Order: sequence, then C-alpha cells, then structure tokens
Amino acid sequence: EAGVTQFPSHSVIEKGQTVTLRCDPISGHDNLYWYRRVMGKEIKFLLHFVKESKQDESGMPNNRFLAERTGGTYSTLKVQPAELEDSGVYFCASSQDSDPYGYTFGSGTRLTVV
Amino acid sequence: GQNIDQPTEMTATEGAIVQINCTYQTSGFNGLFWYQQHAGEAPTFLSYNVLDGLEEKGRFSSFLSRSKGYSYLLLKELQMKDSASYLCAPWGATNKLIFGTGTLLAVQP
Repeated sequence: EAGVTQFPSHSVIEKGQTVTLRCDPISGHDNLYWYRRVMGKEIKFLLHFVKESKQDESGMPNNRFLAERTGGTYSTLKVQPAELEDSGVYFCASSQDSDPYGYTFGSGTRLTVV
Repeated sequence: GQNIDQPTEMTATEGAIVQINCTYQTSGFNGLFWYQQHAGEAPTFLSYNVLDGLEEKGRFSSFLSRSKGYSYLLLKELQMKDSASYLCAPWGATNKLIFGTGTLLAVQP
C-alpha cells in the first residue's frame, strides 16, 4: 500500500512568489491534515479535510494560504504571495475515522522563501 | 489552553535504557501518540495509548496517566539508529494532533 505522498520534496522561492504544495493521501482515507513545522518550533496543525470539506481550518495562519481538496482525493496548499516567515516543512497526514493506528504522515515539503 | 512539555534534548549510551517524559494539557483528549522522526523524514508511528498503563512493543514501551496528563516513552537496548526526535502528540477531540517541540535523542557509542 502506498503511503502519503507529498511533492515537491523541496521548494525554494522568492518572497512574493506563489507556491503550490500537493499531498496524495493513502487511498480510501477520508481525513487529510496539513501541518507545518517552522524551524525550531513545534509541528503545528493547519487544517483538516473530511473528504472534500474543510472540517477545521483554525490553524491556517492567514488568507495567503489556500487549501483545496477537490473530489476528496489529493489536496493542494497554495501560498500566495509567499513571505519569509512561511519557510518551514509542511507535512500532510491522512487517516480513517476511529483508526488512530492509521494516522500516517508524508515526508513533508521543505519550503524556503528567500 | 493547550500545552505539551518534553525535554528538548537527551543523550544516552548504546545498549542503555532511556525514558522520555511528556506532560500535556489539552482541550479534549482521545489518546496519545508517540512518533519518531529522523531528520528530513516523516514522523513515524511508535505507539498510541488511550487507557492508563504501560504498553510494551519490543524495545519500546509507552505509559499513560490520563488523570495526571503524563506520558513517557521507554526505549531499551538503545541502538545508534534510535538517534532521532521523539514527538509526544495528544490526539484531541477534533482528530488533530497537538505536538510539542519534541525531544532530540542522541545515542552515543
């Protein structure tokens, strides 16, 4: 079974540019989560999809961040325009309801804004 | 509020035993995960505790006390490959994980 896939694995962009991160969850997982780790800080929750619906987006930093999950399969997280403080590692995770053991993370996208 | 507290760094010797403590305060609690994360890689699942007590899985064991908001991860027979970050993550009522900064464990020969 394929795991959670994220790409790109690395992205370096200039301040003011736009970047789109993609996450492909484990097939059949209705729940998809985005997290972010800024250097030296803890991993922080950004948002949670159940299928194509946003269940909880309380962790989204501001309106420069837009997450979508059309069709309830893969998800994208777009940052526009990117700022220096957006640099960090963006993790995606997926799970099925009531199955904590299936809560699986992707390898992350390391975003560097210069 | 929500708060996770773990030691920032620990050092131990190959073959020894190490205990990584975690205290937490969260709004809503389903259970607690421990993850291992090597640099540049995804967090990987180690354990999940929902009931009080100790759960043993090979060289790794995890303990939970819900009333005290306390957990620990016990690693036995340490190996060099156990050098990594260990993340304590309560699972809240809304399915999202709440992470602390993690404990960076260095295993020395």
